[in-house]
Amino acid sequence: DAGVIQSPRHEVTEMGQEVTLRCKPISGHNSLFWYRQTMMRGLELLIYFNNNVPIDDSGMPEDRFSAKMPNASFSTLKIQPSEPRDSAVYFCASRTLAGQETQYFGPGTRLLVL
Amino acid sequence: SQQGEEDPQALSIQEGENATMNCSYKTSINNLQWYRQNSGRGLVHLILIRSNEREKHSGRLRVTLDTSKKSSSLLITASRAADTASYFCATDNTDKLIFGTGTRLQVFP
Repeated sequence: DAGVIQSPRHEVTEMGQEVTLRCKPISGHNSLFWYRQTMMRGLELLIYFNNNVPIDDSGMPEDRFSAKMPNASFSTLKIQPSEPRDSAVYFCASRTLAGQETQYFGPGTRLLVL
Repeated sequence: SQQGEEDPQALSIQEGENATMNCSYKTSINNLQWYRQNSGRGLVHLILIRSNEREKHSGRLRVTLDTSKKSSSLLITASRAADTASYFCATDNTDKLIFGTGTRLQVFP
């Protein structure tokens, strides 16, 4: 298995632009998580999905952030409009719901908003 | 915040020495997990200990859990330069993990 796939790996954009991050979970995993990691705030859970349904989005910082999971093999995290304080590494992780607690992380997307 | 705290924030040791990292958390848990993150990479799962377990081993890793004190420790024995990374504890009491602040471990050859 290729593991969790994220794209792009790096993104540099200007303030005000729309940013879309993409994630493909491990095949057969039915739970997907989006995290943000910064030096100041550490690793924060933004939102997670079970069976493509958003369960908890309490970590989403504000309305500029949105996430979707249209099917079991694809999820997006969108920031519109982006701001410099959104600069961070964004990770996607997946796991199975039944009996497996371990999360498998993607390599992350490093976002820089100028 | 429910985020756990890890201690120390940074640790530097020589190859062959043991490294101990501690984690404290605030809520009740189903299990506690330890993850490793190499610089610029995603997190990798190391070991999981359930709330009814007190100690667990995996290779050179030893994890303890004290639910009365809401704390856990990770011991890496006979450390190697390749163990250089950040280590995070994560508590699981629902469907989601709450990560600690991490310990940066540097192992010098």
